[in-house]
Amino acid sequence: EVQLVESGGGLVQPGGSLRLSCAASGFTLSSYWVSWVRQAPGKGLEWVANIKQDGSEIYYAGSVRGRFIISRDFAKNSVNLQMHSLRAEDTAVYYCARHLNGDVYDYVSRSYRFSTWGDYWGQGTLVTVSS
Amino acid sequence: NFMLTQPHSVSESPGKTVTISCTASSGSFASNYVQWVQQRPGSAPTTVIYEDNQRPSGVPDRFSGSIDSSSNSASLTISGLKTEDGADYYCQSSDGNTWVFGGGTKLTVL
Repeated sequence: EVQLVESGGGLVQPGGSLRLSCAASGFTLSSYWVSWVRQAPGKGLEWVANIKQDGSEIYYAGSVRGRFIISRDFAKNSVNLQMHSLRAEDTAVYYCARHLNGDVYDYVSRSYRFSTWGDYWGQGTLVTVSS
Repeated sequence: NFMLTQPHSVSESPGKTVTISCTASSGSFASNYVQWVQQRPGSAPTTVIYEDNQRPSGVPDRFSGSIDSSSNSASLTISGLKTEDGADYYCQSSDGNTWVFGGGTKLTVL
């Protein structure tokens, strides 16, 4: 069974650090891109960061760039999100999702269009930044 | 960068049909597919429509998606509404290799 399980959440003080992990079972995570998506209490979904299969491409949302680091642990079949200089506004449930990125031919427009979507999501881990 | 705009909420009765819209601030849909993500209360997100109108395995055919490139808009239509369809729905597309979400639409089925 395909599963993604996030862990590492908890309560941390402003300015502190925390490392989240997204562990995969039932498949090889390094065959997929992995994105982290967060949801602040009562708010919508916000994409945070993603990493390519081999780790050669990494992207961050502007709100976390320079503070968060995404990486792969190939041996553990997991992806980590190291979070530094945490702020109150980083308080959220953090979800990981696996996906593939690529151009897919659209027979309607008769052109290639870019496809990227999460086919499996984890259940999330809560990060609370508060003193 | 572009933004995706959705209505804040919609409501409809069981058995009826509802359509949720998503409008892009630029012509990004011409280059990028659109997805729809469902999030039931207290649950993780799941994708119910990918690549404009494709349903992942297990999603009932009551869910359908479409786009109108001329108006940079996408729509999610749910027919034969059931109370279990009550959830938040987010449109999602991409800007390069990054994901962009709409603000979400709360669907109430009552």
